[in-house]
Amino acid sequence: GENVEQHPSTLSVQEGDSAVIKCTYSDSASNYFPWYKQELGKRPQLIIDIRSNVGEKKDQRIAVTLNKTAKHFSLHITETQPEDSAVYFCAATRNYGQNFVFGPGTRLSVLP
Amino acid sequence: DTEVTQTPKHLVMGMTNKKSLKCEQHMGHRAMYWYKQKAKKPPELMFVYSYEKLSINESVPSRFSPECPNSSLLNLHLHALQPEDSALYLCASSQGQGADYEQYFGPGTRLTVT
Repeated sequence: GENVEQHPSTLSVQEGDSAVIKCTYSDSASNYFPWYKQELGKRPQLIIDIRSNVGEKKDQRIAVTLNKTAKHFSLHITETQPEDSAVYFCAATRNYGQNFVFGPGTRLSVLP
Repeated sequence: DTEVTQTPKHLVMGMTNKKSLKCEQHMGHRAMYWYKQKAKKPPELMFVYSYEKLSINESVPSRFSPECPNSSLLNLHLHALQPEDSALYLCASSQGQGADYEQYFGPGTRLTVT
């Protein structure tokens, strides 16, 4: 089955700085890599995703990069704001949702 | 309606009880999911329904029994649970099953087994 690792487990940055979270996966058949944000006591929400035929995707302050050969992908948040503080989960899955596995999560704190 | 709703919000049950969790969406989504999330851990996929048929069962113990009575509704029947089953149970739905479709999560049911 799929195994997803995520680093760091906690990350503190000053407001306005960038934050980078890295994930690795084990199943070479995985081809969809979403990122979810979960605020305390709230539901996970998709913030960005990337498919295996794309190396990079950007949406305003958020970007994701994928290196399929090395089986790792990263989330980049620029100009961080206090409201970015949350737990971020990466995930990996195959085409039809098989082996949908989340990483263990990164708790991001943006300090004002 | 662009939300997934779940009831109840909180549930406390004994190990001999039978209870059910309910999930509803009116977005016309044809795939629905159950996840289990323990404190400070990621969600773990339990079941996937696609077009009201069970598509994926991630080797979940039989004390958890899913049911999809129609395309808008997903239930999780609970029987003879253990204290370690205490967790947040999240429901999600998507337009279809698979990587092309974003999953929308409900707020969850926080279950405590005593």
